[in-house]
Amino acid sequence: QKEVEQNSGPLSVPEGAIASLNCTYSDRGSQSFFWYRQYSGKSPELIMFIYSNGDKEDGRFTAQLNKASQYVSLLIRDSQPSDSATYLCALWRGGFQKLVFGTGTRLLVSP
Amino acid sequence: GAVVSQHPSRVICKSGTSVKIECRSLDFQATTMFWYRQFPKQSLMLMATSNEGSKATYEQGVEKDKFLINHASLTLSTLTVTSAHPEDSSFYICSAWGGGANEQFFGPGTRLTVL
Repeated sequence: QKEVEQNSGPLSVPEGAIASLNCTYSDRGSQSFFWYRQYSGKSPELIMFIYSNGDKEDGRFTAQLNKASQYVSLLIRDSQPSDSATYLCALWRGGFQKLVFGTGTRLLVSP
Repeated sequence: GAVVSQHPSRVICKSGTSVKIECRSLDFQATTMFWYRQFPKQSLMLMATSNEGSKATYEQGVEKDKFLINHASLTLSTLTVTSAHPEDSSFYICSAWGGGANEQFFGPGTRLTVL
């Protein structure tokens, strides 16, 4: 079982819709989770991080964490074509001091 | 956010040659730098972690004699791919952690093509 799992997609949504991206993880002890956006040929850029159960909102983005079910999700409201990218979920393995990434979900937002 | 640069952004080299990639934190002191490799349509895979002034810690399966990492100062880490082969062609990305921030700041990446 992979430590961080994501559906590779692509996830296609029309412009203005809500895009929902999901991520599950295997280590129940994981505490810190990150969502990155990566455009083709570019390096990842941090969208947001979440440590506590529940929702965390930042503009059009909402991260949701459910530690009991071991999943993290990212909602993008009012999706724009410029949101089309690969979204990487990552967790911080504190004991090993490193980020572990999922394989990413490709999001396509059509005009 | 903090700025991390990488140089070069693209490099093409012949098989058997060595290539050095620089990673610099421009506006903060990076106590730890990370080197990742990303093959097409795959995720980032951590290669090694380097702390200033000490030897790098390599991930399992990464040859430390092939991928030489030096973190001689708090603002510079280098990755040297020695005796490069076509299978080393990849996107190499560094990140830096430090300056009191609770996140890693990624460089723009270096696209290596080995002919």
